[in-house]
Amino acid sequence: DTAVSQTPKYLVTQMGNDKSIKCEQNLGHDTMYWYKQDSKKFLKIMFSYNNKELIINETVPNRFSPKSPDKAHLNLHINSLELGDSAVYFCASSLTGSYNEQFFGPGTRLTVL
Amino acid sequence: AQSVTQPDIHITVSEGASLELRCNYSYGATPYLFWYVQSPGQGLQLLLKYFSGDTLVQGIKGFEAEFKRSQSSFNLRKPSVHWSDAAEYFCAVGPYSGGGADGLTFGKGTHLIIQP
Repeated sequence: DTAVSQTPKYLVTQMGNDKSIKCEQNLGHDTMYWYKQDSKKFLKIMFSYNNKELIINETVPNRFSPKSPDKAHLNLHINSLELGDSAVYFCASSLTGSYNEQFFGPGTRLTVL
Repeated sequence: AQSVTQPDIHITVSEGASLELRCNYSYGATPYLFWYVQSPGQGLQLLLKYFSGDTLVQGIKGFEAEFKRSQSSFNLRKPSVHWSDAAEYFCAVGPYSGGGADGLTFGKGTHLIIQP
């Protein structure tokens, strides 16, 4: 009965590779997000999707491409991975409305060697 | 642009003692304010939130926070901490861009250590 799930939990890869992280929520929410948490634990919004439509696209390199096949899924594809991409990536979801609680997934720890 | 400041990177408290974690925000309009907790290796869990009404809000696990507009603060308190409260605490403000599908702006977190 996991609310927001992410796969994989850990991802270790070489520079220059392409990788994807998947996120699924079973809460019936219509908004999903990707956040990046760096090594100093700082969390920053990357993207948000509402009803499969991109709403926020922060100053993220275009090597990062989110894709939302339906309201319950928001995947993150990263091309040409760089050392600086190493971080924990969190998916979250909520109902539309900024006052609504965002439910976070367990995170995906990406390590680029 | 909005911002959140958590001035204490680390706080150490004895078990059973009271706790206050500080949060100051900068926001151009009435903010929505949140406190989240992150246990090691886990995602974030909402403790409490404020968006209108009573400025003292109660949350889960015995936490409360008080919104003070004049001080742009939203400090988190707990009267008596337990060892299980050791975690990273994040204050956040929204909406990010004024829309309904916004992310949050987070502070840099306060790491809480509980001494036996």
